[in-house]
Amino acid sequence: GESVGLHLPTLSVQEGDNSIINCAYSNSASDYFIWYKQESGKGPQFIIDIRSNMDKRQGQRVTVLLNKTVKHLSLQIAATQPGDSAVYFCAENITQGSQGNLIFGKGTKLSVKP
Amino acid sequence: DAGVTQSPTHLIKTRGQQVTLRCSPKSGHDTVSWYQQALGQGPQFIFQYYEEEERQRGNFPDRFSGHQFPNYSSELNVNALLLGDSALYLCASSPRGWGDTEAFFGQGTRLTVV
Repeated sequence: GESVGLHLPTLSVQEGDNSIINCAYSNSASDYFIWYKQESGKGPQFIIDIRSNMDKRQGQRVTVLLNKTVKHLSLQIAATQPGDSAVYFCAENITQGSQGNLIFGKGTKLSVKP
Repeated sequence: DAGVTQSPTHLIKTRGQQVTLRCSPKSGHDTVSWYQQALGQGPQFIFQYYEEEERQRGNFPDRFSGHQFPNYSSELNVNALLLGDSALYLCASSPRGWGDTEAFFGQGTRLTVV
């Protein structure tokens, strides 16, 4: 069936380094993608999104890249900080008319070493 | 703006009982979606409400039901609780046509079935 998955379940980086979290999706009909950050005991927090008509989008310290050819999504975090430690989820959406729902992957745990 | 608020934050129920979880959407949002997140997993879509009607539903049994009120707040009801229903239940709100914008999540309700 259609699914969203992640290549790496855990990622450990040194403070100040750049982090790259990868995600594979299999539903070619997906047209909207979101990265969420979830800290322990909290709900998912929006980081950045990208529509399928774009290849790259930048935010503050974060960049999302979308490669539709290989159905791959990545989140790049520049100058990773201890506060970035969390589980990161990619989610895809098939906008059914104007009401879609999100399909989440299993998540990648990012651990930042000081 | 209080964002998305959920109540209660934690709940312990006995197998076979029924439970009701509540969600108030972010100001200006009229669409509410519910997700179930098992430990170590990504959130799984349960259903979505708009204009007081269930608009979409994920792969969850009829024991899971919901309601949306005229003020856009929503309830999730689960009947005949099973041990496997233990999870973090997340509510997300979004404006109409939310495929073009991110969904905001609440902190969740941690349900434990014993």
